[in-house]
Amino acid sequence: GQQLNQSPQSMFIQEGEDVSMNCTSSSIFNTWLWYKQDPGEGPVLLIALYKAGELTSNGRLTAQFGITRKDSFLNISASIPSDVGIYFCAGPDTDKLIFGTGTRLQVFP
Amino acid sequence: DGGITQSPKYLFRKEGQNVTLSCEQNLNHDAMYWYRQDPGQGLRLIYYSQIVNDFQKGDIAEGYSVSREKKESFPLTVTSAQKNPTAFYLCASSIAGYSGNTIYFGEGSWLTVV
Repeated sequence: GQQLNQSPQSMFIQEGEDVSMNCTSSSIFNTWLWYKQDPGEGPVLLIALYKAGELTSNGRLTAQFGITRKDSFLNISASIPSDVGIYFCAGPDTDKLIFGTGTRLQVFP
Repeated sequence: DGGITQSPKYLFRKEGQNVTLSCEQNLNHDAMYWYRQDPGQGLRLIYYSQIVNDFQKGDIAEGYSVSREKKESFPLTVTSAQKNPTAFYLCASSIAGYSGNTIYFGEGSWLTVV
């Protein structure tokens, strides 16, 4: 089946820094979703992308749907402690969603 | 409030026992899903259902069973055949199962085998 690879696997940054992470697939997607999971909770949808080249923001978060349709990027500007968590990309595989391996973000004050 | 409710939040099971995790949604969603998450890992699909009385195996269905008798309910049974059941289990739902729909998650259930 399709696989989604996320990088980096983990990040340790200082509060106020910007963060960039990406997700790549082995085949073309027509939708990209980005979720955040707080420790011990279910993932929450952050941003949904539906068109190649699309750039969408949600507060300090900005995500882009790659032109090749095989990748997507998530940026977080001016990180704060509550940004800590695991960020997952997801995309459709026929009638279900598959998830990336996740990027674990740790923010230090 | 609308949402997805999983219960229990924490569950301990003895080896050899079956255990059932509950998932209820009042979002009027047609599709429901069960994912498993191991510490530090991503989400792996166990089973999913697009309509009542129908469900399909995901990537790691062995040792699990589900039912979908009602639209709002999708319980997951972890059977004794599941060799390593200790994990965090997430239930989710979406308007429909076809590609492009976002899915919404419950708060998860921790299962520990003792």
